[in-house]
Order: sequence, then structure tokens, then C-alpha cells
Amino acid sequence: AQSVTQLGSHVSVSEGALVLLRCNYSSSVPPYLFWYVQYPNQGLQLLLKYTSAATLVKGINGFEAEFKKSETSFHLTKPSAHMSDAAEYFCAVSGGIGADGLTFGKGTHLIIQP
Amino acid sequence: DAGVTQSPTHLIKTRGQQVTLRCSPKSGHDTVSWYQQALGQGPQFIFQYYEEEERQRGNFPDRFSGHQFPNYSSELNVNALLLGDSALYLCASSSIAGADYNEQFFGPGTRLTVL
Repeated sequence: AQSVTQLGSHVSVSEGALVLLRCNYSSSVPPYLFWYVQYPNQGLQLLLKYTSAATLVKGINGFEAEFKKSETSFHLTKPSAHMSDAAEYFCAVSGGIGADGLTFGKGTHLIIQP
Repeated sequence: DAGVTQSPTHLIKTRGQQVTLRCSPKSGHDTVSWYQQALGQGPQFIFQYYEEEERQRGNFPDRFSGHQFPNYSSELNVNALLLGDSALYLCASSSIAGADYNEQFFGPGTRLTVL
């Protein structure tokens, strides 16, 4: 069984500041990990994925995440926040291949202050 | 490429009724998954269809059932609707037998309101 914990239901940063969204996972098998973004009244868009290759994963829109097995973490970062980054972010885990049913965290709402 | 499409976009039903939601996967994909996203929550996995069979299932009651057609499109059926079934229902497609076996592509969702 897998589970995901996202620390902080809301995160507020200033435009141009570092974005850090936290995700910890639990999995009984080597996990596949994902970060998705959701804009209001839309579906989910994949930002990046970890599939047991490089531990530092680069995604779209300047986001990246680092897989740390010892800490069971997969935190999402972006060096400089833009107003357009304001959205809901979800971390998800799959215990098999990425096409398997995903277990999602509860999400983090990212607020960008001008 | 139209991506994953879902219909209808919005739906209002009454408690006890039945509802059918539809999903067409991304071109070239053979697998469809369904998720329920309650307001303010993360999506929860309902089930997945591959080769017209239910391949995986999450922790949802039998009131939730599905079907996959030979063209890979899929339906989600919910019987005896409850107020708690009000949610955004997301469909995602992937390709177990192809290049997209490590990723799921999501549709825009169907917003179901149960009164």
C-alpha cells in the first residue's frame, strides 16, 4: 500500500522568491512519484515524474524535485516564483508502473504575493 | 491530438438516481483510469480498465462500476447516488503496452452535483 503526505495545505511566497512544496511518501515497493498541477476548474497537468532513474528530476515551467529515499521525500522546488504559478499542486505515488492507479496527497494551494 | 476528453462537463442529479460519465482516451492509449476528487481534496482512485477488463480497483463500493469499449473509450456508472458522491470525476489515460506506460494524462473532468 502507498500513501502521500503533503505538508502545508497553503503556502504563500512572494513573486521572485523560492518555491518549496513538501511531499513525503510511504511505499512497500520502489515508488514512482509524480507532481501534478491543477488550475481552477481544470484537470491535472503533469509537472514532473520520478521513475527510478536520476534522483534530481527537472520538469516543466522551471520546476524540479529531488527523490531522497532515506527521507522518503520528493519535495518540489522552483527558484523564482511567477504569478502564473498560483495553483493547486498534488504529489502522487504509484507502487508499480506509472500507469497504475495513483495515490494522491491532499494538495497544497500555492499563493503568489505580488 | 485532442487529448483526453470527458462528457458531460457538468451534471446535476438527485439522490437515488443513476449516472453515466464518459471518457475518450488520448490517441494511442489503451488504458483508462477514473478518479473522484471531492472539493478541497486530492483525487482518489476508483478503478482502471485495460483490454476491456477492470485491471485495478480502489476502495470504492460496488455502486461504482465501469466499462471499456473496443475503441478504448470508457464509461463510469454510479448507482443509487448519495449526496457524498458530489465531486469532480477525472478520467486519465495511459498506455500499458506503449511508450506512455509511466505516465497518465488527465481530462478536464465532469462536475457531478447530487441534490
